Amino acid sequence: NAGVTQTPKFRILKIGQSMTLQCTQDMNHNYMYWYRQDPGMGLKLIYYSVGAGITDKGEVPNGYNVSRSTTEDFPLRLELAAPSQTSVYFCASSRTLGDQTFGSGTRLTVV
Amino acid sequence: GENVEQHPSTLSVQEGDSAVIKCTYSDSASNYFPWYKQELGKRPQLIIDIRSNVGEKKDQRIAVTLNKTAKHFSLHITETQPEDSAVYFCAANANTGNQFYFGTGTSLTVIP
Repeated sequence: NAGVTQTPKFRILKIGQSMTLQCTQDMNHNYMYWYRQDPGMGLKLIYYSVGAGITDKGEVPNGYNVSRSTTEDFPLRLELAAPSQTSVYFCASSRTLGDQTFGSGTRLTVV
Repeated sequence: GENVEQHPSTLSVQEGDSAVIKCTYSDSASNYFPWYKQELGKRPQLIIDIRSNVGEKKDQRIAVTLNKTAKHFSLHITETQPEDSAVYFCAANANTGNQFYFGTGTSLTVIP
């Protein structure tokens, strides 16, 4: 099992550009999450999903969108990138509540 | 929403000593409290968790205690080793069950 796979690992965006961060898990987990981690800070939940076709906002959803068309995939879309979105983004999944498995992260810089 | 506070932000201990990290939470409906270890440049990894129906849980050198009345929980690491050096995060779920709120992290340094 690959676990949770995130792509790309690094990306530099210009202000106003858009991009999609990919997240795929092969563990048949129902729950999937997107977090951002700013330097020296904890993780903040952006969006989460409890199953295919269901998504909900987390603590910091503004400027982002998600979709969950399959159990395996949970892409995060950034529209009109801003410098405030410079961060490390982690995707995670879990079978039920708890024991989240994290991907290796995407380091995004908006200039 | 939930508010999770974590202390201290940095902690240095001698190898072999114990380390204690404390977190408080605000939502009395929270019922799941995980702890994560994150090494520099790596992903967070779950090291131990506790649910609200349990007061204490141990796994070898690591233990977590929960005081629901006071709304705080703590991570205890005994016989610390240099490889325990990392940033540790506590978290709590919100009353909806599926949203997680993280503390700001504790950077633990174990001095050989």
